[in-house]
Amino acid sequence: GENVEQHPSTLSVQEGDSAVIKCTYSDSASNYFPWYKQELGKGPQLIIDIRSNVGEKKDQRIAVTLNKTAKHFSLHITETQPEDSAVYFCAGTLTGTASKLTFGTGTRLQVTL
Amino acid sequence: NAGVMQNPRHLVRRRGQEARLRCSPMKGHSHVYWYRQLPEEGLKFMVYLQKENIIDESGMPKERFSAEFPKEGPSILRIQQVVRGDSAAYFCASSPRAGADEKLFFGSGTQLSVL
Repeated sequence: GENVEQHPSTLSVQEGDSAVIKCTYSDSASNYFPWYKQELGKGPQLIIDIRSNVGEKKDQRIAVTLNKTAKHFSLHITETQPEDSAVYFCAGTLTGTASKLTFGTGTRLQVTL
Repeated sequence: NAGVMQNPRHLVRRRGQEARLRCSPMKGHSHVYWYRQLPEEGLKFMVYLQKENIIDESGMPKERFSAEFPKEGPSILRIQQVVRGDSAAYFCASSPRAGADEKLFFGSGTQLSVL
């Protein structure tokens, strides 16, 4: 089955700086990679996703890049704000198999003033 | 449009008791997924259900755990004879139809504590 590894486990940045979270996956058949943000006491919320037919996707201050050859993908947050502080999870699976969605272990991002 | 509703938010049980966790999917969603999250870990898939059918239960422990999604009413995750190792946050997610490229909408979870 799929195995997703995520780094770093914790990340502290100053407000306004960029944050990068990296994930690797093991199953070359995986082609769908969502990112979730989990705030304290809440469930994970999808913030961006990417399919393997594209290498990069952007949505305002967040972007995701995918390298299929190396089997890794990254989340980039620019101009970080205190409200970006949360735990971020990457995940991966093969399209059509939502029940096989495998999550990374999470990155706790702290944006300091 | 209410999101995925889970209750209770917190549940305390003593060892050997039963725990019942409820999940009402978003309006119009007919697919429900249950995940378990241990402290400092990611979410682990447990079971995927459609109305009145269990589609994939490959992540469910073989004993003491069961799930249902009846024609009427919420989905229920049931844990019999709970043990301390069952203490975790249990999240439910729903989607309008099958497929990993459909967004999963998560509830706020039920924090189960076993004394």
